[in-house]
Amino acid sequence: GIQVEQSPPDLILQEGANSTLRCNFSDSVNNLQWFHQNPWGQLINLFYIPSGTKQNGRLSATTVATERYSLLYISSSQTTDSGVYFCAVEKKAPNSGYALNFGKGTSLLVTP
Amino acid sequence: GAGVSQTPSNKVTEKGKYVELRCDPISGHTALYWYRQSLGQGPEFLIYFQGTGAADDSGLPNDRFFAVRPEGSVSTLKIQRTERGDSAVYLCASSPQPGGASGNTIYFGEGSWLTVV
Repeated sequence: GIQVEQSPPDLILQEGANSTLRCNFSDSVNNLQWFHQNPWGQLINLFYIPSGTKQNGRLSATTVATERYSLLYISSSQTTDSGVYFCAVEKKAPNSGYALNFGKGTSLLVTP
Repeated sequence: GAGVSQTPSNKVTEKGKYVELRCDPISGHTALYWYRQSLGQGPEFLIYFQGTGAADDSGLPNDRFFAVRPEGSVSTLKIQRTERGDSAVYLCASSPQPGGASGNTIYFGEGSWLTVV
């Protein structure tokens, strides 16, 4: 199956700092999404971004599909940004179904 | 509520017992997914329903796992002869349409935490 690798695995930031999270994937994809899992386990969709760049407030994401990677930028981090950030992809292939393959995530802690 | 609802939120069962986990998707969502998440890992795909039918069950680990969605809304994940290795969070998600597309956001429930002792 398609491999999804995220880095760094863990990150500690002081409030107000910026960060970049990376997602590498091993095959062409139809779909790439970034999710945030809060400390209570709730998964929230942040971006649908199989290619290009999108911004939503302090968050932005860029996917370079030809080079098989995506980046999530967090600016002016806040303590509420803490949690685990997952990248998930859907392989581009006939009969691949609609299964999203998740990476292992980046665990982010933002301290006051 | 308006979100994906899962019950029970927590379940502790003995090895060998049968377990049912329920998912109530967002009203009108035709696509429903089950995932399993172990500690320190990302969610792992189990099965996807389009309407009443299981369109992709390639993620079910073995024949002890089965899921149904008889009326195209609520789904039940059934686990027979539970094993300690089945302990995980079982996540349900729904989306208006299947597959990824701009605006076709996938919504996850809060999960059912299963512990097999």
